[in-house]
This record gives sequence, C-alpha cells and structure tokens, in this order.
Amino acid sequence: DAGVTQSPTHLIKTRGQQVTLRCSPKSGHDTVSWYQQALGQGPQFIFQYYEEEERQRGNFPDRFSGHQFPNYSSELNVNALLLGDSALYLCASSLAFHEVYEQYFGPGTRLTVT
Amino acid sequence: QKEVEQDPGPLSVPEGAIVSLNCTYSNSAFQYFMWYRQYSRKGPELLMYTYSSGNKEDGRFTAQVDKSSKYISLFIRDSQPSDSATYLCAMSHMDSSYKLIFGSGTRLLVRP
Repeated sequence: DAGVTQSPTHLIKTRGQQVTLRCSPKSGHDTVSWYQQALGQGPQFIFQYYEEEERQRGNFPDRFSGHQFPNYSSELNVNALLLGDSALYLCASSLAFHEVYEQYFGPGTRLTVT
Repeated sequence: QKEVEQDPGPLSVPEGAIVSLNCTYSNSAFQYFMWYRQYSRKGPELLMYTYSSGNKEDGRFTAQVDKSSKYISLFIRDSQPSDSATYLCAMSHMDSSYKLIFGSGTRLLVRP
C-alpha cells in the first residue's frame, strides 16, 4: 500500500518564477493538506482540499494556489517566487471528517529559490 | 507571540536516558495534542495523540497534557540512538479541526 508520494523531490527556481508541486494521497484518502516548513521551523498550514475545493486556508498570500483532481491527487502552485519561499513543502492526506491526527505526511519537496 | 512554543534544542543525551520534551501554548481552544517525529529529509510521522487533558502511554513513550498550565510533554524512556530526530508538537482547535498548528521542533541526539 503506497503512502503519500510527492514530486519532485528537489527543485531549484529563480526569484519571480512559478512552480508546481504534486502530491498523490495515500490509497483510500480523499483529502489533501499542504504545509510549508522553513528550515528550523515547524510546518505551517497552507490550505486543504476536499472534493476538488479549497476547504480551509492558512495565512498565506494569493500567490499560493492549489488544485485537487478527481483522483484526489493535488497540486500546489506558487507564483512570483520570493527568496523566502525556500522551504520543504509537505503534503498530508486524510479521510474527510476523520480525526485531525489521522493525517499522513509525504516526504516533501524541497524548494530552493535563488 | 506564536501560538505554540517549543525549545529548539538541540538536546543531547546518552543512550538509556529519559528524555523530556515540552511545548507551551497560548490558545485555550486547543483540544487535540499530537507529537510527531521527523527524521532528516523526511516528512513528520505521528508518534502519539491526546484528546483534551491527561496522560497516554505507548511503549517507551508517554504523552502528558496539562490544560490548566497550557503545557504538554513527551517522555521517552530508555532512549536509543535511533530516537535521534526532530520532535514536533502539534495542536488543533475544535472549531478548525482540519489544520495542525506545529511548534518549531526540538532536535534530539541520543549518543551511543
């Protein structure tokens, strides 16, 4: 049973560019959350997708947007990249309306903005 | 002020020691309290969760929640070198139960 997978593993982009990160949830899960983890910090909630809609959003600017596909996989898009967007981006999958602790994290995509 | 505060460490202990990891929080609406372990270049892995107050034990791990003091702890008994990782506390509101609010993590090194 495959867990949460994310691609790519690493990514290097230049300031001002746009980036798309991808997440496939754990088999049977229908909800995907995205978190940003800066170096030496804990993960920060970006948003959550369920039924192809954004269900909740954290304190992130509109440059951060997402999408969920009918197969429950998800994309995170970041426009107009800033140096401060350099971080590990984590995807977590879960079943809707289950307990908040029943989220499973992927290995993350490490984004470096130069 | 951050909603969840956690000492970043690093915390270095000899193998076999009892480890105490702690977090404080400011929001009394938190109801779920979790501890995650994160190895280098990996995603967080849930270790334990507690709902509301009280203690919970699982093998070498014990989680404690003191809501009156807004303080949570994770104890690791008979620590092993394989326990070396970053430990993250996380919490959730009842009215916003979809998102986890994390502490900054404590780096733990268990020396053989």
